[in-house]
Amino acid sequence: DAGVTQSPTHLIKTRGQQVTLRCSPISGHKSVSWYQQVLGQGPQFIFQYYEKEERGRGNFPDRFSARQFPNYSSELNVNALLLGDSALYLCASSLATGVAGQPQHFGDGTRLSIL
Amino acid sequence: AQTVTQSQPEMSVQEAETVTLSCTYDTSENNYYLFWYKQPPSRQMILVIRQEAYKQQNATENRFSVNFQKAAKSFSLKISDSQLGDTAMYFCAFMKLNNNAGNMLTFGGGTRLMVKP
Repeated sequence: DAGVTQSPTHLIKTRGQQVTLRCSPISGHKSVSWYQQVLGQGPQFIFQYYEKEERGRGNFPDRFSARQFPNYSSELNVNALLLGDSALYLCASSLATGVAGQPQHFGDGTRLSIL
Repeated sequence: AQTVTQSQPEMSVQEAETVTLSCTYDTSENNYYLFWYKQPPSRQMILVIRQEAYKQQNATENRFSVNFQKAAKSFSLKISDSQLGDTAMYFCAFMKLNNNAGNMLTFGGGTRLMVKP
């Protein structure tokens, strides 16, 4: 079975632009989470979706938004890009949310570079 | 809010030796899960081991084992018989056990481990 797939793998944008990152979860997984990993740091939680509903939101500005589709895939949108948005964006999926200790399985990430 | 601290930014170990990575956390929760993830240069975050806070027995997965000290809020990872393929960033992570919330992870800052031949 395929793991979590993310596209694109690498993206270069300029300040002020908008970007959309995509994620397909492992087959059968209904929960998708997004994390931002700045170089040299641990990942920071951005959003979690389960059954197309937002179940959690991290401490990120409103420029960040996400959604989940009926096939459980997800998109992360970032508007008005800033230099500080340069990071590796990781998507993770799990079978469910709120179920005890469901581990999250990560994709390879999208490297976003802002010029 | 939970915080996770990894006090060792970098560590190195000789191949076939044993190394221990440290992790401490702060939480007011009583029930939770702790994880160690490995991130090699290929970028993918790989689950190494999981520990349930309500279990006193330390988790083990082949060459990987943890020393979980709940009262001290400490969760160290021991890698035995280190292999070159163990070279990676290692992240300690915390997950609340709350059926009304998501299962999001709070990560530490990571420890870069280099296994030397």
